[in-house]
Amino acid sequence: EAGVAQSPRYKIIEKRQSVAFWCNPISGHATLYWYQQILGQGPKLLIQFQNNGVVDDSQLPKDRFSAERLKGVDSTLKIQPAKLEDSAVYLCASSLLRASEAFFGQGTRLTVV
Amino acid sequence: EDQVTQSPEALRLQEGESSSLNCSYTVSGLRGLFWYRQDPGKGPEFLFTLYSAGEEKEKERLKATLTKKESFLHITAPKPEDSATYLCAVQAGGGADGLTFGKGTHLIIQP
Repeated sequence: EAGVAQSPRYKIIEKRQSVAFWCNPISGHATLYWYQQILGQGPKLLIQFQNNGVVDDSQLPKDRFSAERLKGVDSTLKIQPAKLEDSAVYLCASSLLRASEAFFGQGTRLTVV
Repeated sequence: EDQVTQSPEALRLQEGESSSLNCSYTVSGLRGLFWYRQDPGKGPEFLFTLYSAGEEKEKERLKATLTKKESFLHITAPKPEDSATYLCAVQAGGGADGLTFGKGTHLIIQP
């Protein structure tokens, strides 16, 4: 069974530029999460989707971050404009059921210079 | 606010030297406590879910236990390939399902 796919693996941008990350969850998984992991910290939830609807985006900095999951499968996370403190690994995860274990992709490492 | 504290932050053991990692938590209505393993440059890999105090789960050299305030990850006779960061996370009651993670314990097993 294929795992959670993310791209790109690495991205370097200048501050104030925009960037987008892509995620393809495990087939059949209706629940999708985006997490931000700063070096030395545990992952922090940004947003949760159930199919193409948002369940929780309370920790998403909505002035600069946006996410969508238009057809209930793939998802994109966008940052515009980026700040230095956005440097982190952005992890996508999916789960079969809302309360079940989540499976993570390898992440996208973003460096903002 | 849900909180997860893991200790120690880092642990170095000799191969075969058993030990335990601690995860203490405060959460409004625990639905599940999760353990993940994370290798450098990779996403977290699911290990266990515990749902109620007294529950235990085992996988190879790992055993996870749960009380009302903390969880332990016991590592028996570890091997160098067990070296990784071990993350603990809680899933709270309520409408959302996202996890609150601790900072992790960085485990090194020396041959």
